[in-house]
Amino acid sequence: EVQLVESGGGLVQPGGSLRLSCEASGFTFSSYWMHWVRHAPGKGLVWVSRIDTDGSSTNYADSVKGRFTISRDNAKNTLYLQMNSLRAEDTAVYYCARNLGYNYGYPFDYWGQGALVTVSS
Amino acid sequence: DIQMTQSPSSLSASVGDRVTITCRASQSISSYLNWYHQKPGKAPKLLIYSASSLQSGVPSRFSGSGSGTDFTLTISSLQPEDFATYYCQQSYSIPSFGQGTKVEIK
Repeated sequence: EVQLVESGGGLVQPGGSLRLSCEASGFTFSSYWMHWVRHAPGKGLVWVSRIDTDGSSTNYADSVKGRFTISRDNAKNTLYLQMNSLRAEDTAVYYCARNLGYNYGYPFDYWGQGALVTVSS
Repeated sequence: DIQMTQSPSSLSASVGDRVTITCRASQSISSYLNWYHQKPGKAPKLLIYSASSLQSGVPSRFSGSGSGTDFTLTISSLQPEDFATYYCQQSYSIPSFGQGTKVEIK
């Protein structure tokens, strides 16, 4: 059974840092692109970042570029999102999601349960 | 970046109603269009991929159509468990989502 389990969320002050983790199981993690998607309170889903199978290629939404870093450890079957210089508008539930394939053109077929990040003083 | 626009933003419907949600892309995305629904406090769930392919395990009352820039999600007979927020998403390039359509009970 495919499972994605996020951890690392919490309350952080503006300007602070947090690292989210997403532990994968039930599939060959190293064969799939992975994404982070966030859902702010009362808002819609927003794509945040994407990483390819070996971590050599990444993309970011303009709103997080230069502040967030996506990475992966295929030996540990784990996806990461390092979030620096956090702002109030980064407050959201963050989901990791599996890209059905290893290229564009595929949907996000499995999602984690989400990790809540609250940025507030 | 490709912008996705859904309509309506919300709708009220009764159990058994036929419901249609539309999604428009700011440029052609071929058939690289996916639909999800999300219930409060839960992760999104994939319903339709590649514009018209039903994800495994999803009831056949859900269907999708369209190509290029204009797409439609149809629920043929709304069930109580279908009250949720629906999102379209393009996977043609850097992903983007529509703003969502909230389906509420009339």
